[in-house]
Amino acid sequence: SAVISQKPSRDICQRGTSLTIQCQVDSQVTMMFWYRQQPGQSLTLIATANQGSEATYESGFVIDKFPISRPNLTFSTLTVSNMSPEDSSIYLCSVEPFEGQPQHFGDGTRLSIL
Amino acid sequence: GENVEQHPSTLSVQEGDSAVIKCTYSDSASNYFPWYKQELGKRPQLIIDIRSNVGEKKDQRIAVTLNKTAKHFSLHITETQPEDSAVYFCAASSPEGANSKLTFGKGITLSVRP
Repeated sequence: SAVISQKPSRDICQRGTSLTIQCQVDSQVTMMFWYRQQPGQSLTLIATANQGSEATYESGFVIDKFPISRPNLTFSTLTVSNMSPEDSSIYLCSVEPFEGQPQHFGDGTRLSIL
Repeated sequence: GENVEQHPSTLSVQEGDSAVIKCTYSDSASNYFPWYKQELGKRPQLIIDIRSNVGEKKDQRIAVTLNKTAKHFSLHITETQPEDSAVYFCAASSPEGANSKLTFGKGITLSVRP
């Protein structure tokens, strides 16, 4: 299966700042997704990262807060903007290598906002 | 949209016993049902999945059953071992146009007592 590298693995940030998380895959994949997992909670889909076009956001998530880029079939970034303590969470990238194949997750980015 | 319910939230079994985890879903159009295992501090890992054209699938000590009429599916783990202790998430995928997205249950914490 595809090898997914996510950076950074963790960070501690000041409120009001922004952080960009990178997701790199070792092969071209059809679909890339970004999830949030709050402490002790389930996985919530933030958006689908579309190659060469704007991401598709889920209800409750907006582009101004979580801008996403996907310049090619192996790379995507998620930015968490103007962070507040409520944004403290694990952010996970996942990929669906080909249509109909299972999603696989990266190791996640553990983000703490002071 | 899809709603996935997972019960109970915790389950404790004796090593060697079987464990059964149940999930229900709401969207009759959902056609793909994966199960993920997440150990503490690790990424969610796919352990088994089933599509709506199949009623049961087995992989060594793990099996999944699907009842489309009742809209529920279950994970069965036989001969449980301490390393099976983890959080297990079920998910359902609803087709939306050319894409499909996963909706996750809240997760169940399985503890296997030695």
